[in-house]
This record gives sequence, structure tokens and C-alpha cells, in this order.
Amino acid sequence: DTGVSQNPRHKITKRGQNVTFRCDPISEHNRLYWYRQTLGQGPEFLTYFQNEAQLEKSRLLSDRFSAERPKGSFSTLEIQRTEQGDSAMYLCASSASWLAGDEQFFGPGTRLTVL
Amino acid sequence: AQSVTQLGSHVSVSEGALVLLRCNYSSSVPPYLFWYVQYPNQGLQLLLKYTSAATLVKGINGFEAEFKKSETSFHLTKPSAHMSDAAEYFCAVTLSDKIIFGKGTRLHILP
Repeated sequence: DTGVSQNPRHKITKRGQNVTFRCDPISEHNRLYWYRQTLGQGPEFLTYFQNEAQLEKSRLLSDRFSAERPKGSFSTLEIQRTEQGDSAMYLCASSASWLAGDEQFFGPGTRLTVL
Repeated sequence: AQSVTQLGSHVSVSEGALVLLRCNYSSSVPPYLFWYVQYPNQGLQLLLKYTSAATLVKGINGFEAEFKKSETSFHLTKPSAHMSDAAEYFCAVTLSDKIIFGKGTRLHILP
């Protein structure tokens, strides 16, 4: 399978714990995006990378959130001191180029439940 | 700033009937527009996209959408609904590389 993969698919944690999600983009895709989707809403942009450089972060990304793409391949999204409001589906996407309108390919998502 | 508004959070159509999902966009300049579909417990899949090459855009699974600048609309249609079309559909807009999604329309297909 050469699509975008995300692990884990589901994560249940207790409030206050730290969690980390991983995204493996399509091979050779330069751009990698993170989105958050809550129930009844469309995905909301969180941040994106061009290779290993993090180019933009949304205001939704509080100080408790950090994302990395150390070698320009896979990416991790860490949430520290989780809160119930962090419960959501976290989606990763990748695209081949920086061109506007270029298709973003989405992974299946990681569903986070904070108890 | 650009945005999209999807009219109707739920739409029900009978199998074999016309599917019409409405989307209006707001942008200061002609944007790129997309329709994505999301099946339960899956990621988003691109149905089609408008990039100014043609106002009528054909996508996968028999879907198409027409860009109407005068109406700032990009409605999604399919002539004949199948049970397999039941899913959530998202209209989206971008002027750069950050995609702005609508809230989605859940399509129900009635037997």
C-alpha cells in the first residue's frame, strides 16, 4: 500500500497524559499536513511541513501541541497534558508539490479519546 | 479570507434519484475548489477539483460539479444515486496550499 498511513488508528488516554501520533506520507511527497476533525465539522488545518521545515502553524495549535518531521519523511504530532477538548480525529495528508490546488492525499486518521 | 458554506448538513435521496449537494464559496479572487468524500472510519478521498481549466468538472464515481462565478457556487451532482454513495461530503477551497473545508453534508440513500 503506497498511501498515507497513520498510527495508531485509535488512542484512548486519560486527561493529563501525553500522546504521540505518527504519519507516514506517500513516498517522495514534499508537503505534509496535519488537520483536526471534530464531530460534525470539517477538517481544520493545524500545521504543515515542506520537507523537514515547519512552515505554518494554526492558532488552533496551542503550546501543548508539537509536530516534527525530522528527516523530511514521517511526521509525529505530540499532545502534552491532554484535555477532553482534544478528543478528535487527527488527519494527516501529503502532497507532491507546493503548488496551489495540488491534491492532498489523506490518511485514515487517528481517533483520540480523552477520558 | 476564503471560506465555504455547505447548505444542508444532511441530505436524503432515493436510490436512482438525482444527487445535489450545495456549496457556496467566498473568496476575493477565483479560488481552487474541491469536493472530498469521507466514508465511515476512513480518510478523505478527492472526488474532483476545479482549477480554472473548465467550469464543468467531472470526477470519480459519476460525480460532477459546476463552477459558477456569478453565483459563487460549486454544487456537486450525480444523475443517479447508488447505495454506495452514502457518505459525508466536504466542499473545500484554497488559494495557496492550506485547504479550508466546509462543515460537510451527510448523504443518505433511501432504498
